[in-house]
Amino acid sequence: SQQGEEDPQALSIQEGENATMNCSYKTSINNLQWYRQNSGRGLVHLILIRSNEREKHSGRLRVTLDTSKKSSSLLITASRAADTASYFCATAPSGNTPLVFGKGTRLSVIA
Amino acid sequence: GAVVSQHPSRVICKSGTSVKIECRSLDFQATTMFWYRQFPKKSLMLMATSNEGSKATYEQGVEKDKFLINHASLTLSTLTVTSAHPEDSSFYICSAARLAGVYEQYFGPGTRLTVT
Repeated sequence: SQQGEEDPQALSIQEGENATMNCSYKTSINNLQWYRQNSGRGLVHLILIRSNEREKHSGRLRVTLDTSKKSSSLLITASRAADTASYFCATAPSGNTPLVFGKGTRLSVIA
Repeated sequence: GAVVSQHPSRVICKSGTSVKIECRSLDFQATTMFWYRQFPKKSLMLMATSNEGSKATYEQGVEKDKFLINHASLTLSTLTVTSAHPEDSSFYICSAARLAGVYEQYFGPGTRLTVT
């Protein structure tokens, strides 16, 4: 069964605004990762946050992790039309298990 | 990061035929490869875990006789969709993994299968 649940399922914003996507999961994890997927294309790895980390930054991306609430958020600041894509969180319940993907958030950034 | 390729990127086949999809790790040896399936506007669902030289482990609900997985070397795994039906049309994505404390998974670009 799916581990992660993204919220919202779809998000539409204006260029320049910030986009926040949330992910909740059910069991304990070793790490949580965020991926991006353009329509009909492969996955692009964005960022990995380990279970002992609370926040991580990469360029315009900011990821937080709250293991007590079993949730994570992905913030994209100053969004661009090119950020339009689906964003998935994926969790690894333990170090030697495959990633389990959430349902994803479809982000549309309108120029 | 590591590079994983898939071939073909797109394939159209007729019902009843079999299709083979290759997944290659180009610059590292992958002890494990994973096969995922993705329906339109849906998330990735793990189909099977493949370890080099051993039988694949299939997730519940995935027919092992329909989705044949061969992992003959540390850089190549193949997924064969046998006797394909239109409902097998999907986006198939592989990932190659190496264990370095934790699994580092690297994803291929995916294969779009359309069964007519």
